[in-house]
Amino acid sequence: SQQGEEDPQALSIQEGENATMNCSYKTSINNLQWYRQNSGRGLVHLILIRSNEREKHSGRLRVTLDTSKKSSSLLITASRAADTASYFCATGSGNTPLVFGKGTRLSVIA
Amino acid sequence: DGGITQSPKYLFRKEGQNVTLSCEQNLNHDAMYWYRQDPGQGLRLIYYSQIVNDFQKGDIAEGYSVSREKKESFPLTVTSAQKNPTAFYLCASSMGSGGDVGEQFFGPGTRLTVL
Repeated sequence: SQQGEEDPQALSIQEGENATMNCSYKTSINNLQWYRQNSGRGLVHLILIRSNEREKHSGRLRVTLDTSKKSSSLLITASRAADTASYFCATGSGNTPLVFGKGTRLSVIA
Repeated sequence: DGGITQSPKYLFRKEGQNVTLSCEQNLNHDAMYWYRQDPGQGLRLIYYSQIVNDFQKGDIAEGYSVSREKKESFPLTVTSAQKNPTAFYLCASSMGSGGDVGEQFFGPGTRLTVL
């Protein structure tokens, strides 16, 4: 059961621009997480935001969470070619495993 | 080095054969997970284990089996009953199984191809 739905499915931007990815989900959650996956590799955790938080920052990453709209966004500022990857949101509810979306493929062109 | 390892990186299987994918972690995590990823798709949960000697089916368990005899190991067997096993398989682990599921740590993956 995939709960998170990322939007857009694919995004292509120039180096230096900001990249925004969105995630919508359907049921109540305890936390929402964002992961990054380089082609052919495992996922790497980027950031976790709890249901009682509205915004969180980590370096060039900014995550927002709107529980009333059941949505989250991931903003990558001043993107670099090395940011090219797929980005997944995952929702956590209680003691059940995380549920991952299908991801956004980001291409940053130098 | 602390982390989670998977082997082999690439695996080729003939139709009708069972194959076992290895997953080991030295993070002292209680929970471990197996996911399947098809091209351009997200992760689908196959099995998970929250404690030694216990595991639960995920969304796509048919044709797969697991064991959790040791805390650090969670091998996945792809049986001949799995009709379309060609995919990228990811193992993950996380601390503790009670309360919120926090950050998951992923292995590098095993790419399985059926010949």
